[in-house]
Amino acid sequence: GAVVSQHPSWVICKSGTSVKIECRSLDFQATTMFWYRQFPKQSLMLMATSNEGSKATYEQGVEKDKFLINHASLTLSTLTVTSAHPEDSSFYICSARDVAGTLYEQYFGPGTRLTVT
Amino acid sequence: EDQVTQSPEALRLQEGESSSLNCSYTVSGLRGLFWYRQDPGKGPEFLFTLYSAGEEKEKERLKATLTKKESFLHITAPKPEDSATYLCAVQGVSNAGNMLTFGGGTRLMVKP
Repeated sequence: GAVVSQHPSWVICKSGTSVKIECRSLDFQATTMFWYRQFPKQSLMLMATSNEGSKATYEQGVEKDKFLINHASLTLSTLTVTSAHPEDSSFYICSARDVAGTLYEQYFGPGTRLTVT
Repeated sequence: EDQVTQSPEALRLQEGESSSLNCSYTVSGLRGLFWYRQDPGKGPEFLFTLYSAGEEKEKERLKATLTKKESFLHITAPKPEDSATYLCAVQGVSNAGNMLTFGGGTRLMVKP
């Protein structure tokens, strides 16, 4: 149980284009999903908290107009990197919290490697 | 503000050489302390949740313990497949958004 998937697992795009990353909870419902960014040999950096049916909450320093987050259902959240630039190249990971759970674990997806050329 | 510090940053062990990873934390009130394992190029894999001081949990060669200020991840007789980065995270009661605060991780390398 508690499986989270991400699609695509890797993507290469040209500078100036937009890229959408999907995060799905496969066997549970998630009112809250989180988006992280991770640079090589560094820990996870929280970008935003995504709540089903409402606007995402972005961490300080994260441009909400550049990183568009949509959480349209209890099993799907999307992150769109708009007008991507090489500095946006990174490993993006989502996590989800089981709405039915009384515990506080977050389950992570496998990550998406974005390379902007 | 919740804070997490992990040590050491990197640890090299010989196969079978037991050791411990440390996670020191500062939080106003602890909802939970979490251990994750992360392999290169993959997302973190959930290992344990600890909720209160004195609690212990085990899984195969791993055992996690918790005090009011720190948590230890004990690795008994590690194997090369235990090589990974181990992440510690906390969630405090003041955190209304259910966010996790992560430490920097410990990169464990187990040589055969």
